[in-house]
Amino acid sequence: GAVVSQHPSWVICKSGTSVKIECRSLDFQATTMFWYRQFPKQSLMLMATSNEGSKATYEQGVEKDKFLINHASLTLSTLTVTSAHPEDSSFYICSARDPAGSGGQPQHFGDGTRLSIL
Amino acid sequence: QKEVEQDPGPLSVPEGAIVSLNCTYSNSAFQYFMWYRQYSRKGPELLMYTYSSGNKEDGRFTAQVDKSSKYISLFIRDSQPSDSATYLCAMRWAAGNKLTFGGGTRVLVKP
Repeated sequence: GAVVSQHPSWVICKSGTSVKIECRSLDFQATTMFWYRQFPKQSLMLMATSNEGSKATYEQGVEKDKFLINHASLTLSTLTVTSAHPEDSSFYICSARDPAGSGGQPQHFGDGTRLSIL
Repeated sequence: QKEVEQDPGPLSVPEGAIVSLNCTYSNSAFQYFMWYRQYSRKGPELLMYTYSSGNKEDGRFTAQVDKSSKYISLFIRDSQPSDSATYLCAMRWAAGNKLTFGGGTRVLVKP
């Protein structure tokens, strides 16, 4: 099946540092990728839609200067949490839309990145 | 009221039983319906994917969509302890990109 790889799986860093998370589609070209945030025992909250070669579209309430998204190629999108603080600690998950997927181009998810800010 | 409602559970069943999960939704524009399985500290894994109304079967999994009632279901036959996870329903418009998720149902299959 379609595979989306996310790296790193877990990162711990000090308050004030910036953290970059990578999301790669391994066996298909993804013109559209998505970044989600998930709090414990809650569902996924869409943060932004990342389109290859153009600016990301952020959901209401998500700070675009805080969460920088770059989708420079058809297989790679990155999320950079800038000047991270403890309240940014969360589980971040990316997904990629498979344009060749049967039916309506399903989204496939990475395994998530657990971010802990001390 | 949320666009997609899903009972959070937990739903506890003995091994071998049928697991029955469902979601209701309010937006009749949704055309694509998905079920994802999420293990603890992992990303969601796509299980089933259906378009409009009808049934779809894949191994032990059966997905049903009833658009007239705005109700979707997932059935897991011959449940195994490895099926213990959180199950998320998701749906989107025909021309849309975004998925709207239910809150997830936690399932426990006891040996």
